[in-house]
Amino acid sequence: DTEVTQTPKHLVMGMTNKKSLKCEQHMGHRAMYWYKQKAKKPPELMFVYSYEKLSINESVPSRFSPECPNSSLLNLHLHALQPEDSALYLCASSQEANYGYTFGSGTRLTVV
Amino acid sequence: GENVEQHPSTLSVQEGDSAVIKCTYSDSASNYFPWYKQELGKRPQLIIDIRSNVGEKKDQRIAVTLNKTAKHFSLHITETQPEDSAVYFCAASSTTGGYNKLIFGAGTRLAVHP
Repeated sequence: DTEVTQTPKHLVMGMTNKKSLKCEQHMGHRAMYWYKQKAKKPPELMFVYSYEKLSINESVPSRFSPECPNSSLLNLHLHALQPEDSALYLCASSQEANYGYTFGSGTRLTVV
Repeated sequence: GENVEQHPSTLSVQEGDSAVIKCTYSDSASNYFPWYKQELGKRPQLIIDIRSNVGEKKDQRIAVTLNKTAKHFSLHITETQPEDSAVYFCAASSTTGGYNKLIFGAGTRLAVHP
């Protein structure tokens, strides 16, 4: 299996909702990432997990809460989002340093 | 922190021509430089990468060059085809521990006209 699987593919949520994005990989990669991508912009790093520990939080608002239950799974819990949080949320994994990411297909999130 | 600048923002070429995209980075500690292709509505896909101990790397019609002194790296696509049309992102990373912290350039929208 050489893929990163993200669910759901599309999500529409209200500003008072709580939802979760899920990411799964079975390539044995020990680093996993969340990126946010707005239209016509590059991906922006949000969080990095290395060996299931949070290594980087790029000053992301607390309404985004990451979780890494095990080496294959990465979640992003969403609560009280704002319309400006609407974007494509990309999960990625990498083998280790100096190796490229494998990106998932992303979750297109719309906050209404 | 790392900053990556990418030029041009748009590039239009005729099928069969070559395309060159250039990036500069700010952090001299950066040592890993991948390039990603993103088609409309799809995920970014790694097309080629280069590490700081190498000056040039080639994979069929795609090549990347790195000038560490100038903090500059470039993507070269030869014999372009319509299916090369996409947004291309360069990135740089100063790897640490067990992960890469990739910082992306703003992207280049390449259009290849038949």
